[in-house]
Amino acid sequence: SQTIHQWPATLVQPVGSPLSLECTVEGTSNPNLYWYRQAAGRGLQLLFYSVGIGQISSEVPQNLSASRPQDRQFILSSKKLLLSDSGFYLCAWSPGRQQFFGPGTRLTVL
Amino acid sequence: SQQGEEDPQALSIQEGENATMNCSYKTSINNLQWYRQNSGRGLVHLILIRSNEREKHSGRLRVTLDTSKKSSSLLITASRAADTASYFCAYITSYGKLTFGQGTILTVHP
Repeated sequence: SQTIHQWPATLVQPVGSPLSLECTVEGTSNPNLYWYRQAAGRGLQLLFYSVGIGQISSEVPQNLSASRPQDRQFILSSKKLLLSDSGFYLCAWSPGRQQFFGPGTRLTVL
Repeated sequence: SQQGEEDPQALSIQEGENATMNCSYKTSINNLQWYRQNSGRGLVHLILIRSNEREKHSGRLRVTLDTSKKSSSLLITASRAADTASYFCAYITSYGKLTFGQGTILTVHP
């Protein structure tokens, strides 16, 4: 069966520090991968999606970047975090129509 | 914005009562999905209804879709305290990208 992992679960970082969040999927190949951000009490905002290795599409201009170095690995990064980067970050994969979400990373930028 | 809209934003009911949540969208869709999110967790797919379907059932869940009004509703019958969560509608655009509504926070009191 397929599983999706995200780490870390929680992260507290100072403003201006770098960021690296990792997402891996097991049990499937060539999935579509997605990064979302959820502000408190709000819906999800799609940040990046990838349909294959090295292929990244950005949905909104921002302080973040994404990379897909391997088929089942999706990384969300920042060189310098801003206060506004705080939020709940969710990774998801999809074989087609339905999406399967990871447990999320709670990021607090102080 | 193509984002879905949901109402109510928050719903508080007693165990055993029915809960109805509504979703409106602005674009043509192939299908509409509903997801559930427990506090601080990832999203879990509940049900998908295709654009050529008007109603779909899954256990205590009943989803309707009215493409002429661009709206959908999720009904949870005989609610339980464990149904307490946020509920989101979502629809697919290109490359399997999901656009989410802002969600309804459901609280079921025992």
